[in-house]
Amino acid sequence: LAKTTQPISMDSYEGQEVNITCSHNNIATNDYITWYQQFPSQGPRFIIQGYKTKVTNEVASLFIPADRKSSTLSLPRVSLSDTAVYYCLVVKDYGGATNKLIFGTGTLLAVQP
Amino acid sequence: AAGVIQSPRHLIKEKRETATLKCYPIPRHDTVYWYQQGPGQDPQFLISFYEKMQSDKGSIPDRFSAQQFSDYHSELNMSSLELGDSALYFCASSLQLYTQGSGANVLTFGAGSRLTVL
Repeated sequence: LAKTTQPISMDSYEGQEVNITCSHNNIATNDYITWYQQFPSQGPRFIIQGYKTKVTNEVASLFIPADRKSSTLSLPRVSLSDTAVYYCLVVKDYGGATNKLIFGTGTLLAVQP
Repeated sequence: AAGVIQSPRHLIKEKRETATLKCYPIPRHDTVYWYQQGPGQDPQFLISFYEKMQSDKGSIPDRFSAQQFSDYHSELNMSSLELGDSALYFCASSLQLYTQGSGANVLTFGAGSRLTVL
């Protein structure tokens, strides 16, 4: 599994766009980039997944450059309720029964009024 | 939509006692995962089951055991509890994907069971 590196913490204000970058230099051809969000004392929650270029859903956008060695999670107009830990994970395509998630150190996003 | 159900939500035990946590996955999900998250730490993978068979094993202590039953619910059994076992225990479930290019499995996590060992 490719190792990921992301900032330990970030600060933002309500209404701003937040971009969290993750590096995964050893990503393999059949790996997907997946982001999870975790609020205190709650289970992680899937946000978005992508393979290349750009993916957008109702919550976030994920930008992946052509070399796929990094990715950026973009949260538009954050609110106080977006304060959470964000995990970037590299997960194998249709990995089968052994496709567990290995969590590294996530990014604690603190949104202030 | 139905989510992953965990019970109990809170559990307090004494050292050397035994605890059992239960997990009911999302209907039709075929894989269950258990994670342990200590205070201020990231979730650590313990063990997983696919179609009622153990499929992968992580940093699960020998004092812990788990199984998945015929109705797909899973139980995590913890014996000889230690203070360091105090943590949030998450269960997650997923449906395995078998088509190339279909993406990586998405795990749905339960709300967790908080175990406190005194």
